Amino acid sequence: GAVVSQHPSRVICKSGTSVKIECRSLDFQATTMFWYRQFPKQSLMLMATSNEGSKATYEQGVEKDKFLINHASLTLSTLTVTSAHPEDSSFYICSAGTSALGEQFFGPGTRLTVL
Amino acid sequence: GENVEQHPSTLSVQEGDSAVIKCTYSDSASNYFPWYKQELGKGPQLIIDIRSNVGEKKDQRIAVTLNKTAKHFSLHITETQPEDSAVYFCAAPVVTGGGNKLTFGTGTQLKVEL
Repeated sequence: GAVVSQHPSRVICKSGTSVKIECRSLDFQATTMFWYRQFPKQSLMLMATSNEGSKATYEQGVEKDKFLINHASLTLSTLTVTSAHPEDSSFYICSAGTSALGEQFFGPGTRLTVL
Repeated sequence: GENVEQHPSTLSVQEGDSAVIKCTYSDSASNYFPWYKQELGKGPQLIIDIRSNVGEKKDQRIAVTLNKTAKHFSLHITETQPEDSAVYFCAAPVVTGGGNKLTFGTGTQLKVEL
């Protein structure tokens, strides 16, 4: 099946620092990648959609300058949380889409803790 | 946009019993309905999906049914096992201007008790 990896799986950082999360599709080329945020015992909240070589599309209420997304190739997208604060602590999950029919395959997630 | 409702929020069953989780959607143009299983601390895993040209799909102990007229779809797990314990999410695509986005249900915490 389609495999998506994320790195790192867990990160702890100090308030004010920036953190980069990588998302890779390992065995397929993803036309679109998605970034989600999930708080404990809640559903997935879409943050942004990115297509290779173009600017990401952010959901309403998501700060573009705080959550920087780069989609450099069909197999790699990165999310950078800039000037992280404790309220940014969450579980960040990426997914990769393979077709226009809506299929998405998720990475294992990244647990971010901002002290 | 698409609105997806999921019930129940929690479900406890005895090992060997069946479990059913139901979802409704609002956009009649939606044509793809996946189900994801998420274990604690992990990313969601696609377990089964159905497209709008069929009414039922089965994969071993898991099945999904779709009623397009009523705009609802259900996940059925038979002969439940402890390893089926997880949070299950349904989803439906945002068809109009969605760019392949999915709208997720609120999730169902399934607990299979011994």
